[in-house]
Amino acid sequence: EVQLVESGGGLVKPGGSLRLSCAASGITFSSSSMNWVRQAPGRGLEWVSSITSDSNYLYYANSMKDRFTISRDNAKNSLYLQMNGLRAEDTAVYYCARDRGGGYFDLWGRGTLVTVSS
Amino acid sequence: DIQMTQSPSTLSASIGDRVTITCRASQNIYSWLAWYQQKPGKAPKVLIYKASTLESGVPPRFSGSGSGTEFTLTISSLQPDDFATYYCQQYNSYSVTFGQGTKVEIK
Repeated sequence: EVQLVESGGGLVKPGGSLRLSCAASGITFSSSSMNWVRQAPGRGLEWVSSITSDSNYLYYANSMKDRFTISRDNAKNSLYLQMNGLRAEDTAVYYCARDRGGGYFDLWGRGTLVTVSS
Repeated sequence: DIQMTQSPSTLSASIGDRVTITCRASQNIYSWLAWYQQKPGKAPKVLIYKASTLESGVPPRFSGSGSGTEFTLTISSLQPDDFATYYCQQYNSYSVTFGQGTKVEIK
């Protein structure tokens, strides 16, 4: 079955860290650029970060580039997002999404909820 | 970053109505625009890419047009399954950005 499954979300205190994972199945993961997109409760979609298939190029939204790190392991068909220095405004559902080629996203996971609160 | 502005923010319509949503970019994005549909509690689903290309499996009542800075998503005859929030997304730059969304509600 073609799917992306995120995990690793949860409740974390401000200033804390969390590592999200996204497991891919049914796709040629090693050929795909991948992304993280988040959605705060009741709000719109916000792109977080992207990584090329070979990990040679990493891109981040300006508000997150000093705190978040994207990575992947093609041998494990997995995408990761290391989040440090978390803030209340980072509270959101985090989706992983496949770049179809060029920058739009044709396959999404169900998301994992990150809540930053004391 | 390229800013994407959608209008309206909310749209009330009836079954069978023709619905049009507009998306404007803060600079020229050529045709590098996608449209997504999102239902509550679900992940977004791509409808249109490259401004006017229908994603496989998407009903032909959905269509997209435009280039440069102004784009539209049209639903030719609104169906019950179409009540959702719609987002545009530019991918002209590596830092992709989304519009704020348009919620299509039942009138």
